[in-house]
Amino acid sequence: AQSVAQPEDQVNVAEGNPLTVKCTYSVSGNPYLFWYVQYPNRGLQFLLKYITGDNLVKGSYGFEAEFNKSQTSFHLKKPSALVSDSALYFCAVRDKAGRRALTFGSGTRLQVQP
Amino acid sequence: DAGVIQSPRHEVTEMGQEVTLRCKPISGHDYLFWYRQTMMRGLELLIYFNNNVPIDDSGMPEDRFSAKMPNASFSTLKIQPSEPRDSAVYFCASTLGHPDQPQHFGDGTRLSIL
Repeated sequence: AQSVAQPEDQVNVAEGNPLTVKCTYSVSGNPYLFWYVQYPNRGLQFLLKYITGDNLVKGSYGFEAEFNKSQTSFHLKKPSALVSDSALYFCAVRDKAGRRALTFGSGTRLQVQP
Repeated sequence: DAGVIQSPRHEVTEMGQEVTLRCKPISGHDYLFWYRQTMMRGLELLIYFNNNVPIDDSGMPEDRFSAKMPNASFSTLKIQPSEPRDSAVYFCASTLGHPDQPQHFGDGTRLSIL
């Protein structure tokens, strides 16, 4: 079985400061990893993915994520937070050899203060 | 490009009534997913289809829920009879066949059962 843990329900950061949203995963084989963002009254929007290769993945809106196989983590980062980044963030995993459906984490609410 | 289209965006109905939610996936996508999102349970996968065929319906909560995909451009999720505990936001998502492709979400249907 595969699973995703997002240990923080909420992350607060001041505008202009770096942000990190944490994610750890568990799969039986090699993972595909994804980050999504959800704004109020909207569906989830794809931010970035890790498939293979370089452990640092760059995505939309200046976000990036670092894959760490030994720690089974895929933390989302941004060097300088914007107030408009305030939203709900979801990490998701799929086993490369397993079923097509994603397993999502419980979500982390990011609040960026002006 | 048109994204995943869901209708209606909001539905309010009384307990016991039949509810039908609709989804039009992105053209060319061969996987379609139905999710339910609540504060208590987060994002839950209900069922998914590949080439219009249901692959995994283990997340469907009970026999009151049914889903169909009569063709590649249309799917329905039906609840009959509806109950107050079915109140949630229901999302549809679609994706291309390769497993490293992200899912694309609609903006959801907010369902309230009185």
